[in-house]
Amino acid sequence: DAGVIQSPRHEVTEMGQEVTLRCKPISGHDYLFWYRQTMMRGLELLIYFNNNVPIDDSGMPEDRFSAKMPNASFSTLKIQPSEPRDSAVYFCASSPRRSRGLLYEKLFFGSGTQLSVL
Amino acid sequence: AQTVTQSQPEMSVQEAETVTLSCTYDTSESDYYLFWYKQPPSRQMILVIRQEAYKQQNATENRFSVNFQKAAKSFSLKISDSQLGDAAMYFCAYRSPSDPGNQFYFGTGTSLTVIP
Repeated sequence: DAGVIQSPRHEVTEMGQEVTLRCKPISGHDYLFWYRQTMMRGLELLIYFNNNVPIDDSGMPEDRFSAKMPNASFSTLKIQPSEPRDSAVYFCASSPRRSRGLLYEKLFFGSGTQLSVL
Repeated sequence: AQTVTQSQPEMSVQEAETVTLSCTYDTSESDYYLFWYKQPPSRQMILVIRQEAYKQQNATENRFSVNFQKAAKSFSLKISDSQLGDAAMYFCAYRSPSDPGNQFYFGTGTSLTVIP
């Protein structure tokens, strides 16, 4: 399995522009998470999906942020318009569902997208 | 929400020596999982070790071991015979089966430097 795939690896954009980050979770995983990592706040959970349905988006900082998961193999995180304070590393992660009453607990991360908003 | 605290923003260790990274957490649950993730400069998050709360025996993975103190809600990571490749950010994380959101809660990380 190729693991969780994120693109692009690096994104440099100007303030006000729209940014779209992409994620392909591991096949068969039912949960997908978007995290943001900064020096000041560490890893913050932005939103997560279960079976393509957004469950909790309370971590999304503002209306400028939106996330979608149109199918089990693809998710996007969009920032429109972007601002310099959005500069961070954005991680996507996926996890299998509980199986046979046991919690399969491992979280699989992508390699992240380094976003720089100038 | 659960809280995970890593009180050491930075640590350093001499190559071949042993270092211990601290982690405490707050929960009212009795069944949960604890993890240590490593993030090298490549950014990739790598699972180092995990511990099930119902197991009294401390988990070990080669040079990595944990000291799990359930009553004290403490979960420290010991790295023995430190190597240059151990230099990274280390994150402690918590997850509970009773959490309907299946969420992981992460600490703020400890940056480990290995001195040759």
